[in-house]
Amino acid sequence: GAGVSQTPSNKVTEKGKYVELRCDPISGHTALYWYRQSLGQGPEFLIYFQGTGAADDSGLPNDRFFAVRPEGSVSTLKIQRTERGDSAVYLCASSLSDSLRGEQFFGPGTRLTVL
Amino acid sequence: GENVEQHPSTLSVQEGDSAVIKCTYSDSASNYFPWYKQELGKRPQLIIDIRSNVGEKKDQRIAVTLNKTAKHFSLHITETQPEDSAVYFCAEPGTYKYIFGTGTRLKVLA
Repeated sequence: GAGVSQTPSNKVTEKGKYVELRCDPISGHTALYWYRQSLGQGPEFLIYFQGTGAADDSGLPNDRFFAVRPEGSVSTLKIQRTERGDSAVYLCASSLSDSLRGEQFFGPGTRLTVL
Repeated sequence: GENVEQHPSTLSVQEGDSAVIKCTYSDSASNYFPWYKQELGKRPQLIIDIRSNVGEKKDQRIAVTLNKTAKHFSLHITETQPEDSAVYFCAEPGTYKYIFGTGTRLKVLA
């Protein structure tokens, strides 16, 4: 694919359920980022992968949130015991550069709604 | 700590007028400053960026200026058009992560 893709585009779940959000970065991009964007706010950093490893996960709000990137390409953001406050658009971005000095290409996002 | 302040939060201009959005960053070591545009329901897209070795960069109707002393960088849009209406975000690269501003909702009135 030409750009970053995310699935599903929309996810509605009930409080307490487990969800997985998937991100397919641009081929060859070693850096991958997850952000959360609430209505009227800027993207809020969650976690940054360089290759397979999480270089910085300081933005994950609590231990219900976890992300993996086992082969250095596709990444999955996992949320356990979802809460209504988790409702937001979850954005993934990838970057060719291995430093934070290059363009980040965003995916279309997954809109998560927790009822 | 890492923080980016963005002003104004909303901005309405007449078509053809100029718009200026300003961000203030906190880390004096930062050396890369991007601006993203996000249309309603769409993903953020990079429109212009600047590195700290220059004070200004221009791309057609869009320009970014950087004042390292004051730790400000600004987005300038000239001859605004209705399609410029969107939310604009500045960002600062912190340690291993991007810090985004709170956004400016620009409305260009026809």
